[in-house]
Amino acid sequence: DSGVTQTPKHLITATGQRVTLRCSPRSGDLSVYWYQQSLDQGLQFLIQYYNGEERAKGNILERFSAQQFPDLHSELNLSSLELGDSALYFCASSGSQGTLYGYTFGSGTRLTVV
Amino acid sequence: AQRVTQPEKLLSVFKGAPVELKCNYSYSGSPELFWYVQYSRQRLQLLLRHISRESIKGFTADLNKGETSFHLKKPFAQEEDSAMYYCALAHNSGGSNYKLTFGKGTLLTVNP
Repeated sequence: DSGVTQTPKHLITATGQRVTLRCSPRSGDLSVYWYQQSLDQGLQFLIQYYNGEERAKGNILERFSAQQFPDLHSELNLSSLELGDSALYFCASSGSQGTLYGYTFGSGTRLTVV
Repeated sequence: AQRVTQPEKLLSVFKGAPVELKCNYSYSGSPELFWYVQYSRQRLQLLLRHISRESIKGFTADLNKGETSFHLKKPFAQEEDSAMYYCALAHNSGGSNYKLTFGKGTLLTVNP
């Protein structure tokens, strides 16, 4: 167990639907990062939160949004889902020293859009 | 802008052969580099950090600032080393915020 918890592990939903992915960072970590991993695009950075505030944005679609709550857990909301959104979604966290020790990744949520 | 390049998408070697996974970076500051490993689409795990100069599972990586490289090496590959390997660069993304930029990964297959 890495200490970063992601739920659910698997999600199957239909096109046009909306889903919420949840991430609890490792205890004490203030930063949360979301990544999308697909077979053709590799690991794509979506968004970063630090202590509740958005810090950096990557290749995140407008249909996607995220937030970090006061207890530091984060949620990634994906709406108007398309077949191409099928992917592994990873959450990672890092401590107060930033990336000096790298990120700790969760086990991911496997999203399948049918 | 910072960039991490892993020129090989796929690498196949035989068990017992040496393996080298290439990583080149572009960054104007002082680089902090990492290698991550991902087995069978599981979570990414930190393999090693250049600042600690450690050897994990027989893998080593040396930072070469002149060549801007951080290649991952192992003298004798094992079948269980088959995995996706990502090189990553830590950089300042504004103020005191740092983040990792990942390469596109190299899928290593070790054949028996």
